[in-house]
Amino acid sequence: QKEVEQDPGPLSVPEGAIVSLNCTYSNSAFQYFMWYRQYSRKGPELLMYTYSSGNKEDGRFTAQVDKSSKYISLFIRDSQPSDSATYLCAMSKSGGSNYKLTFGKGTLLTVNP
Amino acid sequence: DSGVTQTPKHLITATGQRVTLRCSPRSGDLSVYWYQQSLDQGLQFLIQYYNGEERAKGNILERFSAQQFPDLHSELNLSSLELGDSALYFCASSASGTSGTNEQFFGPGTRLTVL
Repeated sequence: QKEVEQDPGPLSVPEGAIVSLNCTYSNSAFQYFMWYRQYSRKGPELLMYTYSSGNKEDGRFTAQVDKSSKYISLFIRDSQPSDSATYLCAMSKSGGSNYKLTFGKGTLLTVNP
Repeated sequence: DSGVTQTPKHLITATGQRVTLRCSPRSGDLSVYWYQQSLDQGLQFLIQYYNGEERAKGNILERFSAQQFPDLHSELNLSSLELGDSALYFCASSASGTSGTNEQFFGPGTRLTVL
Protein backbone atom coordinates (compact mmCIF):
# COMPACT_ATOMS: atom_id res chain seq x y z
CA GLN A 1 0.00 0.00 0.00
CA LYS A 2 1.34 3.40 -0.95
CA GLU A 3 1.76 5.88 1.91
CA VAL A 4 -0.29 8.51 0.06
CA GLU A 5 -3.10 7.71 -2.36
CA GLN A 6 -4.60 10.24 -4.74
CA ASP A 7 -7.10 9.66 -7.54
CA PRO A 8 -5.28 10.67 -10.73
CA GLY A 9 -8.49 11.69 -12.50
CA PRO A 10 -8.67 13.28 -14.95
CA LEU A 11 -11.34 15.57 -13.57
CA SER A 12 -13.21 17.88 -15.94
CA VAL A 13 -15.62 20.54 -14.64
CA PRO A 14 -17.40 23.61 -16.05
CA GLU A 15 -16.25 27.08 -15.11
CA GLY A 16 -17.75 28.21 -11.80
CA ALA A 17 -18.07 24.70 -10.36
CA ILE A 18 -16.89 23.69 -6.91
CA VAL A 19 -14.02 21.24 -7.18
CA SER A 20 -13.20 18.68 -4.52
CA LEU A 21 -9.79 16.97 -4.51
CA ASN A 22 -8.81 14.33 -1.99
CA CYS A 23 -5.98 12.22 -0.66
CA THR A 24 -5.80 9.42 1.84
CA TYR A 25 -2.72 8.34 3.72
CA SER A 26 -1.64 5.43 5.84
CA ASN A 27 1.11 6.82 8.08
CA SER A 28 -0.29 8.40 11.23
CA ALA A 29 3.06 10.14 11.83
CA PHE A 30 2.30 12.73 9.13
CA GLN A 31 1.78 16.14 10.73
CA TYR A 32 2.19 18.68 7.92
CA PHE A 33 -0.16 18.66 4.94
CA MET A 34 0.23 20.62 1.75
CA TRP A 35 -1.42 21.11 -1.60
CA TYR A 36 0.64 22.05 -4.61
CA ARG A 37 -0.51 23.12 -8.06
CA GLN A 38 1.64 22.15 -11.01
CA TYR A 39 1.17 23.48 -14.50
CA SER A 40 2.54 21.34 -17.32
CA ARG A 41 6.34 21.09 -17.18
CA LYS A 42 6.59 23.71 -14.41
CA GLY A 43 7.64 23.51 -10.79
CA PRO A 44 5.01 22.72 -8.12
CA GLU A 45 3.54 25.85 -6.56
CA LEU A 46 2.56 25.77 -2.88
CA LEU A 47 -1.16 26.53 -2.55
CA MET A 48 -2.11 25.53 0.97
CA TYR A 49 -0.20 24.50 4.06
CA THR A 50 -1.76 23.11 7.23
CA TYR A 51 -0.44 21.63 10.41
CA SER A 52 -2.36 18.77 12.05
CA SER A 53 -6.16 18.62 11.80
CA GLY A 54 -8.58 21.37 10.87
CA ASN A 55 -9.59 23.71 8.09
CA LYS A 56 -7.77 26.54 6.40
CA GLU A 57 -9.20 28.98 3.91
CA ASP A 58 -7.37 31.22 1.45
CA GLY A 59 -9.50 33.03 -1.09
CA ARG A 60 -11.26 30.45 -3.27
CA PHE A 61 -9.29 27.58 -1.73
CA THR A 62 -10.13 25.60 1.42
CA ALA A 63 -7.98 22.81 2.79
CA GLN A 64 -9.32 20.28 5.26
CA VAL A 65 -7.41 17.70 7.27
CA ASP A 66 -9.08 14.86 9.15
CA LYS A 67 -6.33 12.97 10.92
CA SER A 68 -8.74 10.50 12.52
CA SER A 69 -9.73 9.31 9.04
CA LYS A 70 -6.31 9.95 7.47
CA TYR A 71 -8.02 12.02 4.80
CA ILE A 72 -7.26 15.45 3.39
CA SER A 73 -9.22 17.57 0.94
CA LEU A 74 -8.83 20.68 -1.16
CA PHE A 75 -11.92 22.59 -2.28
CA ILE A 76 -11.81 25.15 -5.06
CA ARG A 77 -14.80 27.49 -5.27
CA ASP A 78 -15.85 29.34 -8.42
CA SER A 79 -13.31 27.40 -10.46
CA GLN A 80 -11.64 29.22 -13.36
CA PRO A 81 -10.00 27.95 -16.56
CA SER A 82 -6.71 29.17 -15.09
CA ASP A 83 -7.15 26.57 -12.32
CA SER A 84 -6.57 23.84 -14.93
CA ALA A 85 -3.47 22.03 -13.69
CA THR A 86 -2.32 18.97 -11.79
CA TYR A 87 -2.94 19.17 -8.05
CA LEU A 88 -0.58 17.31 -5.78
CA CYS A 89 -1.11 16.55 -2.13
CA ALA A 90 2.01 16.26 -0.01
CA MET A 91 2.72 15.53 3.61
CA SER A 92 5.57 15.18 6.02
CA LYS A 93 6.36 14.13 9.55
CA SER A 94 7.65 16.45 12.22
CA GLY A 95 11.07 17.34 13.47
CA GLY A 96 14.64 16.27 12.93
CA SER A 97 15.28 14.60 9.60
CA ASN A 98 11.60 13.96 8.91
CA TYR A 99 10.82 16.92 6.73
CA LYS A 100 10.93 15.19 3.37
CA LEU A 101 7.65 15.46 1.49
CA THR A 102 5.73 12.39 0.43
CA PHE A 103 3.52 13.16 -2.54
CA GLY A 104 0.39 11.73 -4.05
CA LYS A 105 0.53 11.01 -7.78
CA GLY A 106 -1.53 14.12 -8.54
CA THR A 107 -5.01 14.80 -9.96
CA LEU A 108 -5.26 16.40 -13.39
CA LEU A 109 -8.01 19.05 -13.36
CA THR A 110 -9.50 20.76 -16.41
CA VAL A 111 -11.91 23.66 -15.97
CA ASN A 112 -13.86 24.27 -19.16
CA PRO A 113 -14.99 27.81 -20.10
CA ASP B 1 8.18 33.03 -8.95
CA SER B 2 9.13 31.01 -5.85
CA GLY B 3 12.56 32.58 -5.51
CA VAL B 4 14.27 29.21 -6.03
CA THR B 5 16.42 29.06 -9.16
CA GLN B 6 17.67 26.02 -11.02
CA THR B 7 20.06 25.65 -13.92
CA PRO B 8 20.10 24.42 -16.57
CA LYS B 9 16.46 24.21 -17.67
CA HIS B 10 17.15 21.36 -20.05
CA LEU B 11 19.93 18.80 -20.34
CA ILE B 12 20.32 16.26 -23.11
CA THR B 13 23.11 13.77 -22.72
CA ALA B 14 24.11 10.21 -23.50
CA THR B 15 24.13 7.06 -21.41
CA GLY B 16 27.22 6.68 -19.27
CA GLN B 17 27.78 10.42 -18.95
CA ARG B 18 27.87 12.62 -15.86
CA VAL B 19 25.91 15.84 -15.31
CA THR B 20 25.60 18.47 -12.59
CA LEU B 21 22.37 20.23 -11.70
CA ARG B 22 22.51 23.46 -9.76
CA CYS B 23 20.04 25.03 -7.32
CA SER B 24 19.99 28.34 -5.48
CA PRO B 25 17.50 28.46 -2.58
CA ARG B 26 15.31 31.39 -1.62
CA SER B 27 17.14 34.11 0.22
CA GLY B 28 17.51 33.12 3.87
CA ASP B 29 16.44 29.50 3.45
CA LEU B 30 18.84 27.02 5.02
CA SER B 31 17.42 23.74 3.74
CA VAL B 32 17.58 22.41 0.21
CA TYR B 33 15.71 19.33 -0.97
CA TRP B 34 16.09 17.45 -4.23
CA TYR B 35 13.19 15.58 -5.82
CA GLN B 36 12.85 13.50 -8.97
CA GLN B 37 9.62 13.47 -10.97
CA SER B 38 8.94 10.73 -13.48
CA LEU B 39 5.69 9.70 -15.14
CA ASP B 40 5.48 6.34 -13.42
CA GLN B 41 6.86 7.21 -9.96
CA GLY B 42 5.57 10.74 -9.47
CA LEU B 43 7.54 13.12 -7.24
CA GLN B 44 10.11 11.27 -5.15
CA PHE B 45 12.37 12.69 -2.47
CA LEU B 46 16.08 12.19 -3.09
CA ILE B 47 18.08 14.06 -0.47
CA GLN B 48 18.02 17.02 1.94
CA TYR B 49 20.79 19.36 3.01
CA TYR B 50 20.58 21.76 5.91
CA ASN B 51 23.15 24.53 6.26
CA GLY B 52 25.79 22.53 4.44
CA GLU B 53 25.18 19.16 6.04
CA GLU B 54 23.30 16.15 4.73
CA ARG B 55 20.13 15.80 6.78
CA ALA B 56 18.05 13.06 5.18
CA LYS B 57 18.26 10.61 2.32
CA GLY B 58 15.50 9.07 0.30
CA ASN B 59 15.58 6.67 -2.61
CA ILE B 60 18.73 8.16 -4.06
CA LEU B 61 20.87 5.91 -6.22
CA GLU B 62 24.54 5.43 -5.36
CA ARG B 63 25.37 6.94 -8.76
CA PHE B 64 23.82 10.21 -7.54
CA SER B 65 25.39 12.56 -5.05
CA ALA B 66 24.76 16.07 -3.81
CA GLN B 67 26.33 18.80 -1.76
CA GLN B 68 25.45 22.18 -0.33
CA PHE B 69 28.06 24.91 -0.40
CA PRO B 70 28.80 27.66 2.17
CA ASP B 71 26.72 30.14 0.16
CA LEU B 72 23.86 27.59 0.50
CA HIS B 73 23.52 26.77 -3.17
CA SER B 74 23.38 23.07 -3.91
CA GLU B 75 24.46 20.76 -6.69
CA LEU B 76 23.13 17.34 -7.62
CA ASN B 77 25.59 15.15 -9.49
CA LEU B 78 24.31 12.28 -11.60
CA SER B 79 26.85 9.85 -13.03
CA SER B 80 26.90 6.74 -15.21
CA LEU B 81 23.59 7.91 -16.57
CA GLU B 82 21.00 5.41 -17.75
CA LEU B 83 17.93 5.85 -19.92
CA GLY B 84 15.77 5.48 -16.82
CA ASP B 85 17.32 8.56 -15.25
CA SER B 86 15.45 10.74 -17.71
CA ALA B 87 13.10 12.82 -15.55
CA LEU B 88 12.39 16.24 -14.14
CA TYR B 89 14.62 17.12 -11.22
CA PHE B 90 13.35 19.71 -8.77
CA CYS B 91 15.01 21.55 -5.99
CA ALA B 92 12.99 22.97 -3.11
CA SER B 93 14.00 25.12 -0.19
CA SER B 94 12.60 25.88 3.23
CA ALA B 95 13.52 28.26 6.01
CA SER B 96 14.46 25.54 8.45
CA GLY B 97 14.04 21.86 7.77
CA THR B 98 14.72 20.67 11.27
CA SER B 99 11.99 22.25 13.34
CA GLY B 100 9.02 24.56 13.06
CA THR B 101 7.23 25.03 9.78
CA ASN B 102 7.97 22.90 6.73
CA GLU B 103 6.79 25.03 3.82
CA GLN B 104 8.86 23.98 0.85
CA PHE B 105 9.12 26.16 -2.24
CA PHE B 106 10.04 24.55 -5.52
CA GLY B 107 12.21 25.74 -8.35
CA PRO B 108 11.28 25.47 -12.04
CA GLY B 109 13.14 22.18 -12.44
CA THR B 110 15.75 20.72 -14.77
CA ARG B 111 14.51 18.38 -17.48
CA LEU B 112 17.09 15.66 -18.06
CA THR B 113 16.94 13.53 -21.18
CA VAL B 114 19.35 10.61 -21.47
CA LEU B 115 19.69 9.22 -24.98
